Amino acid sequence: DAGVTQSPTHLIKTRGQHVTLRCSPISGHKSVSWYQQVLGQGPQFIFQYYEKEERGRGNFPDRFSARQFPNYSSELNVNALLLGDSALYLCASSSRLIIDEKLFFGSGTQLSVL
Amino acid sequence: AQKVTQAQTEISVVEKEDVTLDCVYETRDTTYYLFWYKQPPSGELVFLIRRNSFDEQNEISGRYSWNFQKSTSSFNFTITASQVVDSAVYFCALDKSGGGADGLTFGKGTHLIIQP
Repeated sequence: DAGVTQSPTHLIKTRGQHVTLRCSPISGHKSVSWYQQVLGQGPQFIFQYYEKEERGRGNFPDRFSARQFPNYSSELNVNALLLGDSALYLCASSSRLIIDEKLFFGSGTQLSVL
Repeated sequence: AQKVTQAQTEISVVEKEDVTLDCVYETRDTTYYLFWYKQPPSGELVFLIRRNSFDEQNEISGRYSWNFQKSTSSFNFTITASQVVDSAVYFCALDKSGGGADGLTFGKGTHLIIQP
């Protein structure tokens, strides 16, 4: 079975641009979470979606948005990119909403903002 | 607010040595979950263990063992007879039970280097 897949693997953008990152969860998983990992830091929670509804949001500005589709895949959108948005963006899936079960992570999208 | 502290930024040992990674957490919740994840150079986080706040039994899985002490708010991870393949960044994480609204709170990670 395929694991969590993310696309693209790498992305280079300039300040002020918009970016869309994509995530396909493990088959059967209905929950998708997004994390931002700045170099040298631990991942930081951005969003959780379950059954196409936002169930959790971290401390990120409104420039960050996301959605989940009927097939449970998800997109993370970031508008008006800043240099500080450069990071590894990780997607994680789980079968249930409850976070106390383990998350399965993808390999991430490395975003560089120039 | 929840917080996870991994004071060891980087540890380097020679293969076959034992190594302990420290994790100290802060939370006001009485029910919570603690996790350890491994991040190899490929980037994806790999789940290692989950422990709930009511279960203070230590756990051993092969060369890995975990020591949970609620009295000191610590959840330390020991690798016995380390191997080069253990080289990675290891993260300790915390979450409130039954939540989801706040996601996992991760520490900054410990970069473990196992030298042959």
